[in-house]
Amino acid sequence: GAVVSQHPSRVICKSGTSVKIECRSLDFQATTMFWYRQFPKQSLMLMATSNEGSKATYEQGVEKDKFLINHASLTLSTLTVTSAHPEDSSFYICSAINRGTYNEQFFGPGTRLTVL
Amino acid sequence: AQSVTQLGSHVSVSEGALVLLRCNYSSSVPPYLFWYVQYPNQGLQLLLKYTSAATLVKGINGFEAEFKKSETSFHLTKPSAHMSDAAEYFCAVSPNTNAGKSTFGDGTTLTVKP
Repeated sequence: GAVVSQHPSRVICKSGTSVKIECRSLDFQATTMFWYRQFPKQSLMLMATSNEGSKATYEQGVEKDKFLINHASLTLSTLTVTSAHPEDSSFYICSAINRGTYNEQFFGPGTRLTVL
Repeated sequence: AQSVTQLGSHVSVSEGALVLLRCNYSSSVPPYLFWYVQYPNQGLQLLLKYTSAATLVKGINGFEAEFKKSETSFHLTKPSAHMSDAAEYFCAVSPNTNAGKSTFGDGTTLTVKP
């Protein structure tokens, strides 16, 4: 099956610093990738849709200048949390769609961000 | 527009008992429907999906779901629960267009008692 990796799996940073999270599709080309945020015991909140070679589409209420998304290739998308604050602490999950798979999303294992 | 409602945020069953997790959806276009499972501190794993072929869909780990258009439901079942089934389960709907966004339900926590 299709595999999506995320790096790092955990990151702890100081308030005010920036953190980059990578999402890679390992064995397929992902034309579309999604970034989600998940709070404890809650569902996934879609932050943005990332299409290769174009600007990401952000969901309402998500600050695009704070959560920078770059989909540089068909196998890599990055999420950069700029000037992180403790309220940005969360579990961030990416997913990727392989064309022709009926919109089945292949999820990465998630990244736990803790901002001190 | 699309939405998903998962009835029951917590479901508890005994080991060996039937598992039934409920999902109702709404969609303005014919939908694709999915069930995902999430274990603690992990991403989501696809259990099964409905893509307008057979209405009874069989998935991994003995799970299955039936698409009922008249009831706008896609309930997940497993005849006999196993301790390893304890996890968070999410139902999702997307439009049947290429690379459509999925909308997720709030999730159901399944507890399996020995």
